[in-house]
Amino acid sequence: GQQLNQSPQSMFIQEGEDVSMNCTSSSIFNTWLWYKQDPGEGPVLLIALYKAGELTSNGRLTAQFGITRKDSFLNISASIPSDVGIYFCAGQLGASGYGGSQGNLIFGKGTKLSVKP
Amino acid sequence: DGGITQSPKYLFRKEGQNVTLSCEQNLNHDAMYWYRQDPGQGLRLIYYSQIVNDFQKGDIAEGYSVSREKKESFPLTVTSAQKNPTAFYLCASSNPRGARYGYTFGSGTRLTVV
Repeated sequence: GQQLNQSPQSMFIQEGEDVSMNCTSSSIFNTWLWYKQDPGEGPVLLIALYKAGELTSNGRLTAQFGITRKDSFLNISASIPSDVGIYFCAGQLGASGYGGSQGNLIFGKGTKLSVKP
Repeated sequence: DGGITQSPKYLFRKEGQNVTLSCEQNLNHDAMYWYRQDPGQGLRLIYYSQIVNDFQKGDIAEGYSVSREKKESFPLTVTSAQKNPTAFYLCASSNPRGARYGYTFGSGTRLTVV
């Protein structure tokens, strides 16, 4: 199946630092979503983006839908210890769908945030 | 409150046994999904169902089976044919063609073969 290229795969953060991660694809998406997963739990939706160029914030989190509709990024400002976890991007294709079914989400492999030792 | 419930949270299976993971939602969502998560592998789609009594294979369906007899329920059976079943399993649901609003995930079941 199709996949999104998410980077970096992992990163270490120190409290107070800003964090950036992004996802790219060879396909055009009409929706980009960002999720966070805490250890041992299911992912929780953070931000949803629906228009090219759209910039949306949720507290210290800011995400943008790329102009080309093939990428998205997520920024976390002034990180705190509870920001650790795995962040996933997800995209929804248009009419061409996925696996024959319109509308299924495609997920990146995740960016794992850990605290600097 | 509406949500999606997976049970059990932890499951141990002996080699050669079939086990069934439960997933129930009261969100009135038509679509439901099963994912497998391994370290560094992200989320891999096993099966999905857009409507009752219908389901489709995902990327890694071999060794798994599902049923969708009720809108609220989408159980996953890990069969003995699945050679490496130890993993974290996530169930999700969404409105029909409403994936643009995101999936709602359960809290997962960790399956370990002993």
